[in-house]
Amino acid sequence: QQQVKQSPQSLIVQKGGIPIINCAYENTAFDYFPWYQQFPGKGPALLIAIRPDVSEKKEGRFTISFNKSAKQFSLHIMDSQPGDSATYFCAASMKGSARQLTFGSGTQLTVLP
Amino acid sequence: GAVVSQHPSRVICKSGTSVKIECRSLDFQATTMFWYRQFPKQSLMLMATSNEGSKATYEQGVEKDKFLINHASLTLSTLTVTSAHPEDSSFYICSAGDRGQGSEKLFFGSGTQLSVL
Repeated sequence: QQQVKQSPQSLIVQKGGIPIINCAYENTAFDYFPWYQQFPGKGPALLIAIRPDVSEKKEGRFTISFNKSAKQFSLHIMDSQPGDSATYFCAASMKGSARQLTFGSGTQLTVLP
Repeated sequence: GAVVSQHPSRVICKSGTSVKIECRSLDFQATTMFWYRQFPKQSLMLMATSNEGSKATYEQGVEKDKFLINHASLTLSTLTVTSAHPEDSSFYICSAGDRGQGSEKLFFGSGTQLSVL
């Protein structure tokens, strides 16, 4: 019940394309869903996050869509660029756990020039 | 966002030596910090939760005598890999959040690549 399932494992798109990464969770106690971007040899960087009372959140070229009833959320990257090539992790946390994050398995995104 | 500084970024050591990794919250106080381990092309695996002024909480399967955690102040947690062996070679990352602001956000250090020869 603590798992967050992420797909796809890898994704290749052309520059300007819109990669979509999907995550699903089981534990309805999760109430905070962040996405992280990680470059090789670096720590994850917080990209964008959403709470379950909102169905969509947009920050720059990054958009999270959230479906509470389906217990799914996804990351869309608009007008993707080669510099977006990185590994993306979805995560979830809940109150009472010191906000410990449960991570998805990661998606390696490659944006071709 | 809040800044978490991790040092060193890379360390190479001989088998049997101990290595200390520092994690500092630069612009906020962190009563709780988290330590992760990450293997190539894999997700982050939580090792332990570091609590200021008290003992760390270790995840199942993580040897507390092997991975010593000290959180002596509100801005510093350290992870010491004792008597390191080649199988301890990995990427270690810390994270912390500014709970004083009531935020759910967690920020990560830049990671430490440990190579044990």
